[in-house]
Amino acid sequence: AQSVTQPDIHITVSEGASLELRCNYSYGATPYLFWYVQSPGQGLQLLLKYFSGDTLVQGIKGFEAEFKRSQSSFNLRKPSVHWSDAAEYFCAVEGNNDMRFGAGTRLTVKP
Amino acid sequence: EAGVAQSPRYKIIEKRQSVAFWCNPISGHATLYWYQQILGQGPKLLIQFQNNGVVDDSQLPKDRFSAERLKGVDSTLKIQPAKLEDSAVYLCASSSAGSQETQYFGPGTRLLVL
Repeated sequence: AQSVTQPDIHITVSEGASLELRCNYSYGATPYLFWYVQSPGQGLQLLLKYFSGDTLVQGIKGFEAEFKRSQSSFNLRKPSVHWSDAAEYFCAVEGNNDMRFGAGTRLTVKP
Repeated sequence: EAGVAQSPRYKIIEKRQSVAFWCNPISGHATLYWYQQILGQGPKLLIQFQNNGVVDDSQLPKDRFSAERLKGVDSTLKIQPAKLEDSAVYLCASSSAGSQETQYFGPGTRLLVL
């Protein structure tokens, strides 16, 4: 079965700084990849998804992610972080109607 | 457009008791999912319905967990009897078609088993 690894449990960045959250996946075929954000007490919200085509995907809230097949990665980036971006971020991979989530990366934003 | 509704939002029970959660998906969404999210972990898919049929329940502990989606709309997830390790947030999500479509999540039900 497919799996997802998010190597960073917790990341702290200063407001205005750039951000990159790492995601590595394991899947035998071409994966469907997703990034979700979860704010405290809230449900998960989809930031972006990759199915095929352009490997650089644009999402909501100024986020983007790049699919790199050779590295089995789907890292999430944002050029300038806002205090409201503080949340938990989950990478997910879907295959055969089975969605698997990573353990998440908690983002703290310093003023 | 109304989002995915779940109730209750919080539930505290003692081990060996039973509990049920309810989910109302977005209107018109054919696919409904139940996830279990243990503290510090990502959500784990328990069961996926397509209309009122089960697509995947491979990770559902069927000795104690059950779920149904009568009439292809609302769904209930039941735990009987509950164990301490069932303490988690139970998330319901829905999508218009299969899991490649965007899943919309409800706020979740936080369960504490004492």
